[in-house]
Amino acid sequence: EDQVTQSPEALRLQEGESSSLNCSYTVSGLRGLFWYRQDPGKGPEFLFTLYSAGEEKEKERLKATLTKKESFLHITAPKPEDSATYLCAVWGRRGLTGGGNKLTFGTGTQLKVEL
Amino acid sequence: DAGITQSPRHKVTETGTPVTLRCHQTENHRYMYWYRQDPGHGLRLIHYSYGVKDTDKGEVSDGYSVSRSKTEDFLLTLESATSSQTSVYFCAISESGQGAMEYFGPGTRLTVT
Repeated sequence: EDQVTQSPEALRLQEGESSSLNCSYTVSGLRGLFWYRQDPGKGPEFLFTLYSAGEEKEKERLKATLTKKESFLHITAPKPEDSATYLCAVWGRRGLTGGGNKLTFGTGTQLKVEL
Repeated sequence: DAGITQSPRHKVTETGTPVTLRCHQTENHRYMYWYRQDPGHGLRLIHYSYGVKDTDKGEVSDGYSVSRSKTEDFLLTLESATSSQTSVYFCAISESGQGAMEYFGPGTRLTVT
């Protein structure tokens, strides 16, 4: 069974204080790892896809990296608008009937960035 | 914003009553999914659809049924609501069924009293 563990559960940063969020996973045949951002009262918003160990993706102050056991979401010089819950999900070898994506989600890291 | 809406956005209902949630998309994506989100759990798949009238169960399907008679609409029905079905429900869509869920809906907060 695929599993995803995110840490920490919650993180409070001062504006400009860089940090990293962790996503540890066990999966049968990793096909992809995804990061999403979720604002309160809204649905998750897709951020990044990582396919193989060593891959990195960047978007503004966010950089996602991937190893064979975990992924990190690095936040450089965060701003209050980066406050959100960040979700990680893995896509394993086992698919769904009809070819659909079978994703396993972590419980998320709730990030708060203060002035 | 992606064309995916959910209705209602909030609902309070009593135990034992049937409830139907609607997901509507204007992206013409083939795959549609229903998830529930609860504290302490990641998003969990309830049911999904891989085409009109083609649906299948996810990991937490007991007590739920779905229907998809048109590409754009995917309905989730709680046949007889229970308090354990109090949750936030999200619809998601994917064009190819490969990779990430491209878009999620805004969610429906359901409370069963």
